Amino acid sequence: GAVVSQHPSRVICKSGTSVKIECRSLDFQATTMFWYRQFPKQSLMLMATSNEGSKATYEQGVEKDKFLINHASLTLSTLTVTSAHPEDSSFYICSAGSGDQPQHFGDGTRLSIL
Amino acid sequence: TQLLEQSPQFLSIQEGENLTVYCNSSSVFSSLQWYRQEPGEGPVLLVTVVTGGEVKKLKRLTFQFGDARKDSSLHITAAQPGDTGLYLCAAGYSTLTFGKGTMLLVSP
Repeated sequence: GAVVSQHPSRVICKSGTSVKIECRSLDFQATTMFWYRQFPKQSLMLMATSNEGSKATYEQGVEKDKFLINHASLTLSTLTVTSAHPEDSSFYICSAGSGDQPQHFGDGTRLSIL
Repeated sequence: TQLLEQSPQFLSIQEGENLTVYCNSSSVFSSLQWYRQEPGEGPVLLVTVVTGGEVKKLKRLTFQFGDARKDSSLHITAAQPGDTGLYLCAAGYSTLTFGKGTMLLVSP
């Protein structure tokens, strides 16, 4: 099946640091990539949808200047958490899709801000 | 946005027992997916249902889609510890809306 790679799997950093998370589709071209956030014992909450070569569409309540998304190619999207604070600590998951095909998820990134 | 209600939120059972997880909405689904997520990992797609009344089987897992396409269920027969995880239903196709999930714990 389709493979989506997410890197890094875990990040621990100090408050005020900016953190970049990469999401790659390894064996297919992803026209659309999605970024989710998941708090402990909760479900996935969609943060933003990005299409290759265009600006991301953010869900209500998600700060676009805080969570910068770049989708420069059909196989790579990045999420940068700028000036991260402890409340940004969470599990971030990306997924990739193409047309009407089901989304394929990465294994997530555990972000811990001290 | 389609609101998905999942029940129960948490289920703890012994190995060998059967269980059913439900996913309901007041809206009609164009399609519905069931995922299983293990701690520290991303969700893995189990099945997609698109036709009202549809029943799909995946080994010991049976998925049913309601006739009106507003509800779905996941039944696990003879649960095993390896079935432990968060089971999520999601609606939509290109953009997914997830239910809150059912955390299943199967003890040996």
